[in-house]
Amino acid sequence: GAGVSQSPSNKVTEKGKDVELRCDPISGHTALYWYRQRLGQGLEFLIYFQGNSAPDKSGLPSDRFSAERTGESVSTLTIQRTQQEDSAVYLCASSLDRIQPQHFGDGTRLSIL
Amino acid sequence: DAKTTQPNSMESNEEEPVHLPCNHSTISGTDYIHWYRQLPSQGPEYVIHGLTSNVNNRMASLAIAEDRKSSTLILHRATLRDAAVYYCILRDVWDLRNQFYFGTGTSLTVIP
Repeated sequence: GAGVSQSPSNKVTEKGKDVELRCDPISGHTALYWYRQRLGQGLEFLIYFQGNSAPDKSGLPSDRFSAERTGESVSTLTIQRTQQEDSAVYLCASSLDRIQPQHFGDGTRLSIL
Repeated sequence: DAKTTQPNSMESNEEEPVHLPCNHSTISGTDYIHWYRQLPSQGPEYVIHGLTSNVNNRMASLAIAEDRKSSTLILHRATLRDAAVYYCILRDVWDLRNQFYFGTGTSLTVIP
């Protein structure tokens, strides 16, 4: 079946612009996760959704970052007024519930000029 | 917060077993031990997880120390496709924030 789909796969934008990253989880997966991975580094947890609610948003790096999820489907991660330090691969994962293993997409590579 | 400690890199010869260690001395009774791996330019892939008992699946085995302060991921016969970064993660299923800490993992090189 279809895996986790992320779009766009690559995004290049100028500093100061807003960007929106999309994640389509596996159908039926109630839990959804966003991570950031800078070049040569491990994954940095950003936020977790159970259904369309996020119990804890403290992992988001700054108030320029926000995330939403519609029901138990698509999620968007929005970065406002992008900075060069936002350049990274943004990964999305979903799982059947908060207990089951996560399935990852291949990420969106964001480059801020 | 770094809850696990792994070597930065390891090497193995092809078709030989590989033992990837992970230390988690502050593990709590409700922490599960998860392993994921990440191939170049891909998202991470689930490998295996366990709580107290050793676990086996088609990909690997997980050996958990009796005191649970360390664990070892075992690849029985390394192939070139196993070259990846391996992450050992603790996950408290009662933590409603459900945060995952991947750390920097172990980069495994498989030598033909």
